[in-house]
Amino acid sequence: DAKTTQPPSMDCAEGRAANLPCNHSTISGNEYVYWYRQIHSQGPQYIIHGLKNNETNEMASLIITEDRKSSTLILPHATLRDTAVYYCIAINAGGTSYGKLTFGQGTILTVHP
Amino acid sequence: DAGVTQSPTHLIKTRGQQVTLRCSPISGHKSVSWYQQVLGQGPQFIFQYYEKEERGRGNFPDRFSARQFPNYSSELNVNALLLGDSALYLCASSLTGYNEQFFGPGTRLTVL
Repeated sequence: DAKTTQPPSMDCAEGRAANLPCNHSTISGNEYVYWYRQIHSQGPQYIIHGLKNNETNEMASLIITEDRKSSTLILPHATLRDTAVYYCIAINAGGTSYGKLTFGQGTILTVHP
Repeated sequence: DAGVTQSPTHLIKTRGQQVTLRCSPISGHKSVSWYQQVLGQGPQFIFQYYEKEERGRGNFPDRFSARQFPNYSSELNVNALLLGDSALYLCASSLTGYNEQFFGPGTRLTVL
């Protein structure tokens, strides 16, 4: 699975959009980009995933660049409850990786009042 | 619908003891994965089971073992506990293992 690189921390004002970047320059054609987050002392929570098209759900939007070397997770109206560690993970949808998640250090997002 | 459940929520053991952690997946999910999260780090993959068969194993010693039952629930066993085994143990379920995984609240294991 491709290595991903994220900034260690980011701040955001409550009510504003939070844009979390992720670099995955070695991603292969059949690797998906998944985003999870972990609020303190809880299990990780699935947010969204995509292959090459932009995706949106009730939680967030995922923008993947045309060359697929980077992506951005967008929380459109951040709230204090969005304060968490956000993980960007590249996963081969099949083959020998069988969907196992390889977590890096992630980005600590702090939402301020 | 109930999410992934894990038991117990907290556990204290001493070095050399054995521990069994339990996980019940979301109804309809056939795959269970186990992760270990040491304080300050991201979760580390231990095992994935699908349809009662081990599909994959992470870089953990043989002291760690697991199994999945016909109802798709799972147990993680750790023998000869070491201080370094103190961690949050997370269980995740998914339909097939290849798609999004849903995590339980974890079991906090403390080894003294």
